[in-house]
Amino acid sequence: GQNIDQPTEMTATEGAIVQINCTYQTSGFNGLFWYQQHAGEAPTFLSYNVLDGLEEKGRFSSFLSRSKGYSYLLLKELQMKDSASYLCAVSDTGRRALTFGSGTRLQVQP
Amino acid sequence: DSGVTQTPKHLITATGQRVTLRCSPRSGDLSVYWYQQSLDQGLQFLIQYYNGEERAKGNILERFSAQQFPDLHSELNLSSLELGDSALYFCASSASAYSYEQYFGPGTRLTVT
Repeated sequence: GQNIDQPTEMTATEGAIVQINCTYQTSGFNGLFWYQQHAGEAPTFLSYNVLDGLEEKGRFSSFLSRSKGYSYLLLKELQMKDSASYLCAVSDTGRRALTFGSGTRLQVQP
Repeated sequence: DSGVTQTPKHLITATGQRVTLRCSPRSGDLSVYWYQQSLDQGLQFLIQYYNGEERAKGNILERFSAQQFPDLHSELNLSSLELGDSALYFCASSASAYSYEQYFGPGTRLTVT
């Protein structure tokens, strides 16, 4: 089975940097994904990590350590529109479908 | 706009009834995934189809079934509805059989009264 943990809520200030952590346990690992979801809307893909290290894409970066079962999403130069839920998801080697964490609700304050 | 379409956008029905949710994947995508998102359960994977065949199964109840048609659109059938089935149902698609990057539709909000 799979287990994914991430904080329920975080608050940060506009213009700042925030790091959202995700830890996972899986019987077979085939990649870790981050999705952004605004309230009542569909999740949108942010990043994919399958090897250890940092992947950077504009203001967003995602890090993976497979040996520690750990990932984080780093958001820089926060904007009010970044207020959303951030979902960590893991794909396993067997089923290859995504298992999502409960999500971290990020509130960006002025 | 992800290119994935879902109908209807909203659905209100009574307990015990049956409904069908429809999804059209992005052009060229062969895989369709169905997810249920309720307030207390988060986003739960239900089932995946790839090119018409069932590929993976998640926490899908026996009262629920799905299929993917030759034109690659998919339908999720929910029967003997219960209050607890009220949720947002998302469809997602990807190009291959694997979930490297999934594109989500706008969802169908189902309310069972």
